[in-house]
Amino acid sequence: NAGVTQTPKFQVLKTGQSMTLQCAQDMNHNSMYWYRQDPGMGLRLIYYSASEGTTDKGEVPNGYNVSRLNKREFSLRLESAAPSQTSVYFCASSAAGIKQETQYFGPGTRLLVL
Amino acid sequence: GESVGLHLPTLSVQEGDNSIINCAYSNSASDYFIWYKQESGKGPQFIIDIRSNMDKRQGQRVTVLLNKTVKHLSLQIAATQPGDSAVYFCAEISGATNKLIFGTGTLLAVQP
Repeated sequence: NAGVTQTPKFQVLKTGQSMTLQCAQDMNHNSMYWYRQDPGMGLRLIYYSASEGTTDKGEVPNGYNVSRLNKREFSLRLESAAPSQTSVYFCASSAAGIKQETQYFGPGTRLLVL
Repeated sequence: GESVGLHLPTLSVQEGDNSIINCAYSNSASDYFIWYKQESGKGPQFIIDIRSNMDKRQGQRVTVLLNKTVKHLSLQIAATQPGDSAVYFCAEISGATNKLIFGTGTLLAVQP
């Protein structure tokens, strides 16, 4: 099993450009999450999907949209990138939800917005 | 790289010593706590968790202690090894929000 995979690994964008970060898991998990991590800080939840067909806002959702394409895939979209969105983005998944199960993280996508 | 501007608390220990990493949480309603390990360039990795109805839980070489009175969580690593060098994050979940909130992290540096 590959676990949680993310693409791309690195990306440079200009302000105003759009892009989609892809995430997939092969563990048959119900719940998936998107976090961002800024230097010197812990992870902050952007959006999550408790199960296929549902999505909910996390702590810092502004400027982002998500799509739970199917049980395996959960994408994060930046419609108009801003320098404040420069960060490392992590996708995670868990079997049944945050409270009851361990979250497994992907390797991250490093995004630089100029 | 991603560590530019980083000012994490740092704990430096000798290989073979025991390490204690501390975490203060703010939400008295939090009822589930997790410790994660993050190595450079990688995503966080689950280490151990504890629920609020417990005050101690042991894993392999790691122990988590929870003191709800003072809202304090600690991670003890026995016989610290160079491979333990990483940033360690505590995280909490409140039953009200069901959202995982991460602390800022502690850098553990193991000296050979």
